[in-house]
Amino acid sequence: AQTVTQSQPEMSVQEAETVTLSCTYDTSESDYYLFWYKQPPSRQMILVIRQEAYKQQNATENRFSVNFQKAAKSFSLKISDSQLGDAAMYFCAYRSDYNQGGKLIFGQGTELSVKP
Amino acid sequence: NAGVTQTPKFQVLKTGQSMTLQCAQDMNHNSMYWYRQDPGMGLRLIYYSASEGTTDKGEVPNGYNVSRLNKREFSLRLESAAPSQTSVYFCASKKRTDNRFYSNQPQHFGDGTRLSIL
Repeated sequence: AQTVTQSQPEMSVQEAETVTLSCTYDTSESDYYLFWYKQPPSRQMILVIRQEAYKQQNATENRFSVNFQKAAKSFSLKISDSQLGDAAMYFCAYRSDYNQGGKLIFGQGTELSVKP
Repeated sequence: NAGVTQTPKFQVLKTGQSMTLQCAQDMNHNSMYWYRQDPGMGLRLIYYSASEGTTDKGEVPNGYNVSRLNKREFSLRLESAAPSQTSVYFCASKKRTDNRFYSNQPQHFGDGTRLSIL
């Protein structure tokens, strides 16, 4: 069975600085998808970024980028130019390739605080 | 554009009471999911429905039942609530899971139901 581990329960960053959130996963599959979701105090689950395992190029979305290391089974999220609105719980998630029900397996979450 | 709608948003139950959490999506998605979120444990899958007419157990199905009423609606039922079921419950939906063309599509989540069982 696949597992996802986020080893940093809490992180803190100064406004305008850069922070990296770590995520590792365990799987025997070769095709899969990885996601980062943001959960602000409103409790909404907001997709931040996604990565297809067959793509070597790291995904980027504006100030958010990932460092995907397939061999090491590592999928870290880098937030550049941190803003107060980035403060939230961040979840890393794994999903098998198609025809597996589309189920997400989540890590435990990292709570990010942003200091002004 | 409602997306995924969950009702109710909050509920307090007594041990042994029953309750159904409702979820509806208006995005014509085929697949729907129920997760629970507990502190320090992330979200865990309870049940899912890959397509209308099918349901399957997830990681933590004990104490729950589901019904895929139609393509839009997927309900979660607690027959005899227990304090261990105190949690935040999320419903989610996805376009399809049986076609590689849609395989990179993300799940869309509702705003959650906070359920407390005394």
